[in-house]
Amino acid sequence: AQTVTQSQPEMSVQEAETVTLSCTYDTSESDYYLFWYKQPPSRQMILVIRQEAYKQQNATENRFSVNFQKAAKSFSLKISDSQLGDAAMYFCAYRMPGTYKYIFGTGTRLKVLA
Amino acid sequence: DAGITQSPRHKVTETGTPVTLRCHQTENHRYMYWYRQDPGHGLRLIHYSYGVKDTDKGEVSDGYSVSRSKTEDFLLTLESATSSQTSVYFCAITPDISYEQYFGPGTRLTVT
Repeated sequence: AQTVTQSQPEMSVQEAETVTLSCTYDTSESDYYLFWYKQPPSRQMILVIRQEAYKQQNATENRFSVNFQKAAKSFSLKISDSQLGDAAMYFCAYRMPGTYKYIFGTGTRLKVLA
Repeated sequence: DAGITQSPRHKVTETGTPVTLRCHQTENHRYMYWYRQDPGHGLRLIHYSYGVKDTDKGEVSDGYSVSRSKTEDFLLTLESATSSQTSVYFCAITPDISYEQYFGPGTRLTVT
């Protein structure tokens, strides 16, 4: 079965520092999509970044970047220069190839300390 | 903004009563989804739709039914609500030419 695991229920980071959130997944497929979503206290789910498995280059969006290790089935999110507004739940998600179905991890709550 | 609205945004209901949640989109996307979010479980797929009258079950579909009679509306019905269905429900869409999902604002449902 395809699964997505976020092993860190909660993380803390000092403002302006860098933090990395972990995500691992299990699949026998070779071509798929991975995503990170942010859910602030407003509850709105916001797409942060996506990665296509066939691309070796790690995706980057401003202060957010991923470390995609395909062989290890690892997809971590790095947040640089953390800001108070980064405090949120972060969900890792995997899109099942050949379908329009997605599997989500259980989430990591990120606290940003002033 | 993917033009997704959900109604109601909050609802309290009693065990055994039927409840219908509505998801409305303005962009006529083909794929629509219903998820529930619970602490420690992340988001779990209830049902999804790949076109008008075309729906399929997700991993937690027991106790839920859906209908899609128009492209823009996807309804989730709890035939007889139970306390275990207390949750936050999210609607989502995937644009036809894209791979990511976009979410509505969520509905907090409490079953007493």
